[in-house]
Amino acid sequence: EAQVTQNPRYLITVTGKKLTVTCSQNMNHEYMSWYRQDPGLGLRQIYYSMNVEVTDKGDVPEGYKVSRKEKRNFPLILESPSPNQTSLYFCASTREGTETQYFGPGTRLLVL
Amino acid sequence: GQNIDQPTEMTATEGAIVQINCTYQTSGFNGLFWYQQHAGEAPTFLSYNVLDGLEEKGRFSSFLSRSKGYSYLLLKELQMKDSASYLCAVRDFTSGGYNKLIFGAGTRLAVHP
Repeated sequence: EAQVTQNPRYLITVTGKKLTVTCSQNMNHEYMSWYRQDPGLGLRQIYYSMNVEVTDKGDVPEGYKVSRKEKRNFPLILESPSPNQTSLYFCASTREGTETQYFGPGTRLLVL
Repeated sequence: GQNIDQPTEMTATEGAIVQINCTYQTSGFNGLFWYQQHAGEAPTFLSYNVLDGLEEKGRFSSFLSRSKGYSYLLLKELQMKDSASYLCAVRDFTSGGYNKLIFGAGTRLAVHP
């Protein structure tokens, strides 16, 4: 089944404790993105990647890192999480030359 | 700058037609998307417009006017399962390339019997 998976789906952590949210797609898509979704603000792009080893900042990259060492994986790293990073996070992927973006199921993060 | 506006909430009756509007301001417009998002779930792609006019896909249609910076999503023969948030998103080339999408805050649609 073609899909985008994210882990974990739910996470409660404390300020300053490094964490990684994994994202994997099995559709051989070139483009991948990370978004956060907050009430009243909608989806905001954090980082995106156009292919292996090619990443760029979105609208709200501060406090986040990403890597794209393999085509299928695009992990989101929070080196020192803070409470303002409490949010719902979505990973998405798109095949080059097409418009349909496939979203993962979301990761709900709470930083205390 | 970039700005996307859509109504926060709408209500409609089962079987009716509803139109959700979206206005946008970007400097490098390169396409407009509509997504559906049910509560607690991921967004799913509904439509894409890059040229002016109406794109019809079953019960859903999407319209674009680039000169007016305006789009709407038209939902016909509403069903209870259409209760969801509808997200308008614009692709803006000046913001860094092909895959840079800017989303509106979403319109929460409630369909009642």
